[in-house]
Amino acid sequence: GAVVSQHPSRVICKSGTSVKIECRSLDFQATTMFWYRQFPKQSLMLMATSNEGSKATYEQGVEKDKFLINHASLTLSTLTVTSAHPEDSSFYICSAPRTGGVSPLHFGNGTRLTVT
Amino acid sequence: DQQVKQNSPSLSVQEGRISILNCDYTNSMFDYFLWYKKYPAEGPTFLISISSIKDKNEDGRFTVFLNKSAKHLSLHIVPSQPGDSAVYFCAAKSSGDKLTFGTGTRLAVRP
Repeated sequence: GAVVSQHPSRVICKSGTSVKIECRSLDFQATTMFWYRQFPKQSLMLMATSNEGSKATYEQGVEKDKFLINHASLTLSTLTVTSAHPEDSSFYICSAPRTGGVSPLHFGNGTRLTVT
Repeated sequence: DQQVKQNSPSLSVQEGRISILNCDYTNSMFDYFLWYKKYPAEGPTFLISISSIKDKNEDGRFTVFLNKSAKHLSLHIVPSQPGDSAVYFCAAKSSGDKLTFGTGTRLAVRP
């Protein structure tokens, strides 16, 4: 079964509003989580690394004030898209590393954000 | 700068035949490579991986080959099944858990 849960799976919002996406590790603790973004027919691009109890590490070109990341507990990381614009419409996916597993990363099912 | 490239955006294969998906990388620091399968509106699911100390890893119908000198890896699926139809991403990592993904190849397996 799923080991990383991501909510919501789909959200539509109006320009200028903020949207929060949650990512939970279900039966393991994750001191780091990764947030990816995928444009249609393109690769998954790493946006930032979420660190429990400390500031997130953002990749080059990603606006930290636009994409707020909070990792308040060992099982929950949130991504808030602030003052969303249509160009923020995309597929956002979180992932968490789980030690001892076959795969180094487990992914959530993603969130399809549409900004109108 | 795309450090992991999948030059074929799509591939169509007859059911029962072999599917070969290719991936090239540029960063010589990458030492672990993975293949993920992704359906629309879902997160990627892990398929198979290979360490840079190996040149082949096999798991059932899936085999990954690594050519370090050429910085090239490939995923072989045999026999291909209609349920294999999805987008396949190769990914690479050096130290830590951060993955760099390729652009994906959409595989269509025709019945």
